[in-house]
Amino acid sequence: DAGVTQSPTHLIKTRGQQVTLRCSPKSGHDTVSWYQQALGQGPQFIFQYYEEEERQRGNFPDRFSGHQFPNYSSELNVNALLLGDSALYLCASSLGRGSYEQYFGPGTRLTVT
Amino acid sequence: QKEVEQDPGPLSVPEGAIVSLNCTYSNSAFQYFMWYRQYSRKGPELLMYTYSSGNKEDGRFTAQVDKSSKYISLFIRDSQPSDSATYLCAMKEAGSYQLTFGKGTKLSVIP
Repeated sequence: DAGVTQSPTHLIKTRGQQVTLRCSPKSGHDTVSWYQQALGQGPQFIFQYYEEEERQRGNFPDRFSGHQFPNYSSELNVNALLLGDSALYLCASSLGRGSYEQYFGPGTRLTVT
Repeated sequence: QKEVEQDPGPLSVPEGAIVSLNCTYSNSAFQYFMWYRQYSRKGPELLMYTYSSGNKEDGRFTAQVDKSSKYISLFIRDSQPSDSATYLCAMKEAGSYQLTFGKGTKLSVIP
């Protein structure tokens, strides 16, 4: 049973650039949430996608946007990167919107220089 | 004041000890309470979840929720070196889609 997968594992970008991160949910799951985890902090909710629509958004600027595809996979896009965007970006999948049972992928570590 | 407070530790215990990990929260609308384990450079792994108040036991792990005190706990019995990780509490309101996490407590179990 395939768990949540994310790509790439690591990447390094320069301030001002744009980045796209990808996530495939656990088999059977239809909902994807994205979280940002800064070093030494707990994950912070960015947004959740269900039925290809953003259902809820956390306290993140519009530079953060996303997309969900018909096969339930998802992308997170961040524009105009800032040094403070350096973090571990986690994707979590679940069955149905609003589920408390969210299963996390290994994350993508983004470094902005 | 943050919605969820968790002592970051680090907490170091000898193998076999009973470990107590705790979180407090301020949002009385939280109804779902989860504990995640996160190994270094990995994603969080769901350990246990509890709805509303009460206790839940799973093997060596026991989760407790006291909504009147806005306080949740995770107990680990007979701790093992493989339990060494960061433990994150997470909470959710009914009808909301987001999990709100504590900062995590780093635990080391010394053989």
